[in-house]
Formats: sequence, C-alpha cells, structure tokens
Amino acid sequence: GGIITQTPKFLIGQEGQKLTLKCQQNFNHDTMYWYRQDSGKGLRLIYYSITENDLQKGDLSEGYDASREKKSSFSLTVTSAQKNEMAVFLCASSVTGDTEVFFGKGTRLTVV
Amino acid sequence: GDSVTQTEGLVTLTEGLPVMLNCTYQSTYSPFLFWYVQHLNEAPKLLLKSFTDNKRPEHQGFHATLHKSSSSFHLQKSSAQLSDSALYYCALIPNYNQGKLIFGQGTKLSIKP
Repeated sequence: GGIITQTPKFLIGQEGQKLTLKCQQNFNHDTMYWYRQDSGKGLRLIYYSITENDLQKGDLSEGYDASREKKSSFSLTVTSAQKNEMAVFLCASSVTGDTEVFFGKGTRLTVV
Repeated sequence: GDSVTQTEGLVTLTEGLPVMLNCTYQSTYSPFLFWYVQHLNEAPKLLLKSFTDNKRPEHQGFHATLHKSSSSFHLQKSSAQLSDSALYYCALIPNYNQGKLIFGQGTKLSIKP
C-alpha cells in the first residue's frame, strides 16, 4: 500500500496572503489532484496533473496555481487568500486510466 | 455537463434500521459510478463502484445498483451500525475522461443507539 501526505495539516493565513499547500504520494501514481471540500458543496476539482510538469484546470481553478515538480509531489498555491477560502483542501492520486482515487487527510485553511 | 445530485444533507437513523442514501446523476456518456466514505478526521476512501457487467457491488454490508433508466445509484444497507456514521459521497467518472471524479454534495449519515 501507499500513503498521501499533506502538509501542513492546518494553515492560518491573512487575507491577501499567498499560501502554499504541499502533497506527497508514494503510490508511484501518475495522476494527482487537488480538491476543495466545503460543507454542503461536496468535493470540487481545482487542478489535476497526469504526469510530471503537466497541469489541467478543474472547475474551481480561478485564484489558484499548481505545480507538479516531480511525479511524487503536487503543490497548490492560493494566490491571494480571501475569507471565503476557508475550507479543507484534499490531495489525491490515481493510476492514470484506473477508476479508484486515493485521498490524503487534507489541509484545513483558515483565513483571518 | 456531468453532475451528481445527493438531495439529503443529513440522514439520522437508529441502529439496526435500514439505510438508503440517494444519488442521481446526469451524464452525456455511460459513466462509472462510485460511493466514497469519509469518517471523521480521515481521508475519503472508496466504498464501492459500479461494474460494467451489471454485477451489484457490495462492501461492508453496503450495496448499490446502477439504474440507467432512472440515472440513479442509491446506497443501501439492511441494518445500520454505529460505525457507519460518516460522510458519504456519490461520484462519477464520465466514460471519456477516466480519473476525473465529479462528486455530489455529500450526505452525512448519523446512527444513534
């Protein structure tokens, strides 16, 4: 088995600040994802990447940047944090073409 | 576009009673349907998924049947347990774009003794 590690677990930032969330996986999966989790709104896709240096926008990409530095890592940047950004951000990975996606435990973002 | 709808935000049941969580979907293609479960402070994980050969998927006492005629994939269990309390997400992958999961809003299941 493998594991997805997200850092930090809790992130507190100020409004307008640029914030970076990190994700590492040791499944050796090609595809990685960033989802945002809001109560009552489900999980919404921000960015995904099917290989190193690839980036694909999801439905919620505005206000975010992402970077796939290497196969095992995928980072997400909130370019200018807003108070309505407060949510849990989930990283996930899968074998490209497979239907099962594995998730990390998330980073909880609070903007003050 | 493709979408998943879960109409119940919260379902509260007494232990031992049957569980049914609703899921309907819209898709241009023939999608794969999934149920993911997230326990408190844990990562979401796959509970079960639809098969293409009409087998009914089952896991941990839960089952779901894909009904293409009504675009539904409801989650059922005959007898709820306290440990079933969790957040349940229905999701789909459009047939043309494997791996890009589209989720419903989620249903919180709370089981009382």
